[in-house]
Amino acid sequence: EAQVTQNPRYLITVTGKKLTVTCSQNMNHEYMSWYRQDPGLGLRQIYYSMNVEVTDKGDVPEGYKVSRKEKRNFPLILESPSPNQTSLYFCASSPRGGADTQYFGPGTRLTVL
Amino acid sequence: AQSVTQLDSQVPVFEEAPVELRCNYSSSVSVYLFWYVQYPNQGLQLLLKYLSGSTLVKGINGFEAEFNKSQTSFHLRKPSVHISDTAEYFCAVRSISGNTPLVFGKGTRLSVIA
Repeated sequence: EAQVTQNPRYLITVTGKKLTVTCSQNMNHEYMSWYRQDPGLGLRQIYYSMNVEVTDKGDVPEGYKVSRKEKRNFPLILESPSPNQTSLYFCASSPRGGADTQYFGPGTRLTVL
Repeated sequence: AQSVTQLDSQVPVFEEAPVELRCNYSSSVSVYLFWYVQYPNQGLQLLLKYLSGSTLVKGINGFEAEFNKSQTSFHLRKPSVHISDTAEYFCAVRSISGNTPLVFGKGTRLSVIA
């Protein structure tokens, strides 16, 4: 089944404790992206990647890192999480950018205490 | 840069009534336009998209949207809603040129009342 998977789905952590949220797609898509969703703010892009080893900042990249060493994986790294990073995170992929439909993962709900 | 305004944050509507969810965008270049839907506790999925050609676009689940270039709008409509249409709906735009991000509106929560 074609899908985007994220792990973990739920995570509660404490300020400053490094964490990684994994994202994997099995559709051979070139484009991958991370969003955060906050009430009243919609989805805001954190980082995106046009292909392996190519990443770029979105609208809200501060406090996040990403890497794209393989086509299928695009992990999101929070080196020192803070409470303002409490949010619902979505990974998405598409064949390329432009007009292509983005396929979203199920989301990761992160709480930073 | 592009921006999207969804004019209504919440829209309650009775079952089998028609609904329109409004979306206006701003861009100095031509754009692709999208509507995504998010059902409770799920990720987003594409409802429909406008790339070019006919300004009336039909999507899944009986939804359609009309692109109006002069009014920079892309309103979503359904003639008769069902309880199962209760969800959050996001309008999004993307420039047709270059590798630019997909920009989302803040969403409209559609609540269908029995």
